[in-house]
Amino acid sequence: AQSVTQLGSHVSVSEGALVLLRCNYSSSVPPYLFWYVQYPNQGLQLLLKYTSAATLVKGINGFEAEFKKSETSFHLTKPSAHMSDAAEYFCAVSANFGNEKLTFGTGTRLTIIP
Amino acid sequence: GAVVSQHPSWVICKSGTSVKIECRSLDFQATTMFWYRQFPKQSLMLMATSNEGSKATYEQGVEKDKFLINHASLTLSTLTVTSAHPEDSSFYICSASKPTNTEAFFGQGTRLTVV
Repeated sequence: AQSVTQLGSHVSVSEGALVLLRCNYSSSVPPYLFWYVQYPNQGLQLLLKYTSAATLVKGINGFEAEFKKSETSFHLTKPSAHMSDAAEYFCAVSANFGNEKLTFGTGTRLTIIP
Repeated sequence: GAVVSQHPSWVICKSGTSVKIECRSLDFQATTMFWYRQFPKQSLMLMATSNEGSKATYEQGVEKDKFLINHASLTLSTLTVTSAHPEDSSFYICSASKPTNTEAFFGQGTRLTVV
């Protein structure tokens, strides 16, 4: 069985400040990990994914995440927040390639303070 | 990338009627598609896995007779909400994956409101 836990349902940061969204996973097999972003009334857009290659993964829009097996974590970061980053962010895990169903965390709503 | 399109983007229907939602992979073939449901301010919950040419696999607690899934071709899966009730109002999202890809591509979602 697999699961992800996102710490903090709401995160607020000032524009230009560091963004840190936390995700911890549980998996009985080597996991594939994903971060998605969702804007209001829209589907999900993939930010980045970890597929057992490099542990530091760079994604779109300046986001990156580091896979830490010892901490079972896959936290999402961005050095400098922009107003356009305000959205809902979901961490997800799967046991296999994309054909495997995704298990999502409960999401973190990111608010950017001007 | 790959494009997955859902139709309609939003729909309002009367209680007791049925609604069909389409999920299409526009530029690739998807042997497997997934249907998720998202309640307001909550995460996505997998409803069922749709396999081309075979019966869908439903998650525990999802009524297969109420949420009919058909995956008739490699580019189209449909979700029909039968005898809809207000509690079925939700945001429904599909995803599809290429056979040899580690990414699931999501549709833009369908907001269903049952009145």
